[in-house]
Formats: sequence, structure tokens, C-alpha cells
Amino acid sequence: KAGVTQTPRYLIKTRGQQVTLSCSPISGHRSVSWYQQTPGQGLQFLFEYFSETQRNKGNFPGRFSGRQFSNSRSEMNVSTLELGDSALYLCASSLMRETEQFFGPGTRLTVL
Amino acid sequence: AQSVTQLDSHVSVSEGTPVLLRCNYSSSYSPSLFWYVQHPNKGLQLLLKYTSAATLVKGINGFEAEFKKSETSFHLTKPSAHMSDAAEYFCVVSVFPPTSGTYKYIFGTGTRLKVLA
Repeated sequence: KAGVTQTPRYLIKTRGQQVTLSCSPISGHRSVSWYQQTPGQGLQFLFEYFSETQRNKGNFPGRFSGRQFSNSRSEMNVSTLELGDSALYLCASSLMRETEQFFGPGTRLTVL
Repeated sequence: AQSVTQLDSHVSVSEGTPVLLRCNYSSSYSPSLFWYVQHPNKGLQLLLKYTSAATLVKGINGFEAEFKKSETSFHLTKPSAHMSDAAEYFCVVSVFPPTSGTYKYIFGTGTRLKVLA
């Protein structure tokens, strides 16, 4: 069974631009969560989607948004990029909301 | 409130010696507990999980963890470290507080394991 895939794997953007990251969950998984990982802040929860609805949200500004499609694939968008948005963005999927999460390899975003 | 504390930010062991990574949790509700490993520039890989069945849980790559409710601990162990075990390890608690109506997946701050030749 294929794992969680994330595209692109690497991105370089400049301040003020916007970016869209994509996540394809494991087949049959309905819950997708997004995390930001930085050396200073560690792993921080961004949001969770289940059945195309945002079910949970972390403490991030409105510049961070996401959505989930009917096939459970999810996208995350960051507008008006700031230098501090440079991070590894991880997507995780789970069969149901309470079951274990399986992580993708991440997208490394660098903001210059 | 729910929380996870990984008691050591860094652990160094010699190859072939036992590994102990410590995790304590706090939860007002019955938790599920997980250990994940992250190798450099990679995503997180699930090592093992505890979901209220057997208290001693065996995972991949020879790792195991014991759930001790009285001590609110879920320490990760391995009898003999291998060079490939060098990575960062995260302890995670999953709970469903009825008052919040949603699941919370709470990560520890991580323990970086170094394996010396």
C-alpha cells in the first residue's frame, strides 16, 4: 500500500509570495492533518481535515489555510510568505480521527 | 490539561548497549500513546502504539515500550542499539476530551539519540 505522498518535496519562495502544498493520504484514510516543524518551535499542529471539513485548528494566523477534497487529498496554502514560514511541512493521514497517524516525507519550504 | 514530557532532549549510547528514552504524560482521559522516529530530513515513522490492550507494546526494529498508568509513563527501550537507530524520537499522546469535542494529538519535544561506534 502506498504511503502518504507530499508534493513538492522542496520549494524556494520569496517574501510576499504565496504557496500551495499538496498531500495525498494513504488509500482509504479519511483524516488528514498538517504540521509545521522548525528547529526552534519543534512540531506544531496546523489543522486537521476529516470528510472535507476542518475539524481542528492550531494557533496559526489566517495566512495559513487548507482544504480537503472528496478523494481525501488535501492542500495547504500560505499567503504573503514571511521569512519565519521557512520550515518542514508535514502531512499525516489516519483511517479515522482517533487512530494512529502516518506521516509523509514533508515539504521543505525556504522563504528568502 | 493534557501534556507530554520527554525527559531527555539528548541521549548518547554506545553501539550494542541498551537504549532508554523516557516519556511521561498527563491526561484526564484514557490516552492512546505512540512513539515515532524521525531520521534527518525525513518524515515521522510510527514505531509502536498503545491503545489500552497489552501494557507491553512491541514495535518495529526491536523497540518496545511499557505503559505504566501508576507512573504515567511510556518509556521506549531497545536491548541493543544499532548505528541506524541514531535519529530523533517523539512521544505522542492522543486524547478525546469530551468538553472539546475533538481529538488532540500532542507531541513531546523530541529526544535526539546518538549512537557511538
